Amino acid sequence: EDKVVQSPLSLVVHEGDTVTLNCSYEVTNFRSLLWYKQEKKAPTFLFMLTSSGIEKKSGRLSSILDKKELFSILNITATQTGDSAIYLCAVNTGNQFYFGTGTSLTVIP
Amino acid sequence: EAEVAQSPRYRITEKSQAVAFWCDPISGHATLYWYRQILGQGPELLVQFQDESVVDDSQLPKDRFSAERLKGVDSTLKIQPAELGDSAMYLCASSQDRVGETQYFGPGTRLLVL
Repeated sequence: EDKVVQSPLSLVVHEGDTVTLNCSYEVTNFRSLLWYKQEKKAPTFLFMLTSSGIEKKSGRLSSILDKKELFSILNITATQTGDSAIYLCAVNTGNQFYFGTGTSLTVIP
Repeated sequence: EAEVAQSPRYRITEKSQAVAFWCDPISGHATLYWYRQILGQGPELLVQFQDESVVDDSQLPKDRFSAERLKGVDSTLKIQPAELGDSAMYLCASSQDRVGETQYFGPGTRLLVL
């Protein structure tokens, strides 16, 4: 059975901290891994990863994929209150997108 | 910038009533997905269309849920009769094709069944 597991389920940090969110997967056919940010609305796209070891970066956010160990991490440096959200990881198998349950991040001023 | 449109944004109904949600994907996107997201969980695929055809509806509770995309463009998801456990966010997403590298989400319809 294809599955995507995210950890931790929730995280509370102070502004300025650096956080690392984890996503591991077991799927029969891997095409890409995607990260989304979800505030009180629909998920918004952050990154798509297809190759191991190549870091994707956007401002204070970065992500990398390890296709051998079947996981990805999302790093957020110098966190701000606006980073508070649920971060979703999804794996595209070519037939379907499988989502994890998300990591709820709360950034305290 | 093109967006996925959904309506209504919010819906409150009593159990045993019928509800319907509408989605208009980004123009030119052949693949359309309906997801259900229960609070605290990730989106769960209900049905996936490729043009007007259903590709995957294995998780759709077919005794009460139905979905159609008659002309291969916009889509309707219906629940009849609604149950308390159907309270959730219903998300529509689209991608260019079946193996689309990413999918774009609409704003969602938040359903509350009383």
